[in-house]
Amino acid sequence: DQQVKQNSPSLSVQEGRISILNCDYTNSMFDYFLWYKKYPAEGPTFLISISSIKDKNEDGRFTVFLNKSAKHLSLHIVPSQPGDSAVYFCAASGSGGSNYKLTFGKGTLLTVNP
Amino acid sequence: DAGVIQSPRHEVTEMGQEVTLRCKPISGHNSLFWYRQTMMRGLELLIYFNNNVPIDDSGMPEDRFSAKMPNASFSTLKIQPSEPRDSAVYFCASSFRGPGPQHFGDGTRLSIL
Repeated sequence: DQQVKQNSPSLSVQEGRISILNCDYTNSMFDYFLWYKKYPAEGPTFLISISSIKDKNEDGRFTVFLNKSAKHLSLHIVPSQPGDSAVYFCAASGSGGSNYKLTFGKGTLLTVNP
Repeated sequence: DAGVIQSPRHEVTEMGQEVTLRCKPISGHNSLFWYRQTMMRGLELLIYFNNNVPIDDSGMPEDRFSAKMPNASFSTLKIQPSEPRDSAVYFCASSFRGPGPQHFGDGTRLSIL
């Protein structure tokens, strides 16, 4: 039973355009969400996060939007660059007690074409 | 700044052999996580420690898997005996306790023949 779902295995965009990566979750106890980027033969690298008390968080070219009622979050990359080509993972955690473990989606492969 | 360090980067061994994966977390981090990544199941949490104490090992697949954290700067994940279905990339991550990003090592690619 997947609690975090990334329904698009891959996405291809042109350099300079917007990339939108989507993520859905089912567990209403999740209240902290993260995006990671992963290049081949490397570990995932933290990109941006958002707490459930916010609906938007921005860091340079990266913006994460959270829609709690729909249990949906998205990552926007504007403008997209060829170096952004990587696998992007959505992750979620619940902060109840000492349980800060992350549940990951299966990832979306983003390809940015020059 | 030294990140999470894992060794070995690659391990190829025969079925039935004991395998030991090692992890050095970022200095000052007090939570450590072991993950396994496969094509079928993606990134799965196996076990995590807070202040060197195992908190949740519900993701450990079976008794052949064990993990230890003898001190704040070292952890091992052991598989004994290993089986071909254990072939995967194993990641270690560390963080400060509490909600916040986990920092990953570059993983160990394990192949069991």
